[in-house]
Amino acid sequence: AQSVSQHNHHVILSEAASLELGCNYSYGGTVNLFWYVQYPGQHLQLLLKYFSGDPLVKGIKGFEAEFIKSKFSFNLRKPSVQWSDTAEYFCSYSSASKIIFGSGTRLSIRP
Amino acid sequence: SQTIHQWPATLVQPVGSPLSLECTVEGTSNPNLYWYRQAAGRGLQLLFYSVGIGQISSEVPQNLSASRPQDRQFILSSKKLLLSDSGFYLCAWGRGTQTEAFFGQGTRLTVV
Repeated sequence: AQSVSQHNHHVILSEAASLELGCNYSYGGTVNLFWYVQYPGQHLQLLLKYFSGDPLVKGIKGFEAEFIKSKFSFNLRKPSVQWSDTAEYFCSYSSASKIIFGSGTRLSIRP
Repeated sequence: SQTIHQWPATLVQPVGSPLSLECTVEGTSNPNLYWYRQAAGRGLQLLFYSVGIGQISSEVPQNLSASRPQDRQFILSSKKLLLSDSGFYLCAWGRGTQTEAFFGQGTRLTVV
């Protein structure tokens, strides 16, 4: 079955620390990959997306993600987190009109 | 610009009662439409999606059904609610096969 796995359920970091959130997907065909963020009390919003081309994708707010096809991975990174990055992060892929999400990673930043 | 409307925002229903949640999209034609349930620690679970009028794909067998009577209308229904149907339901739309999801405001359903 098609799935998206986010192995880190809750990550706690100090401000200025580097961030990497893992994401693996199971589908072997063509996929489009996304990261969304949900700030407390708000809707999901798109951070970045990958369709094709350069596997290193840059998004909003200093986030980036790298698509590694051989590992079925699309990990999210940020060199230096801020307190305002406290949120829940969801990895997602779409294929043939189906859009599937991972279970989410809650990120807490200590000021 | 495109907008998505989902209502009601909150709903409290007794066990065994029917359910109808409605979602409509404006500003686009032939969108893909999606129903998700969001639960803490479980992310967004895809329940149903539709690529056209009358076309419904069900992802998780359960006590719910979906219908798409018009191009930009997507309805989530149940004939008899269970306690386990409580949760936060999100409608979303997308374009074509390469698509991100655009979400509605969600409905908090509590079955009592």
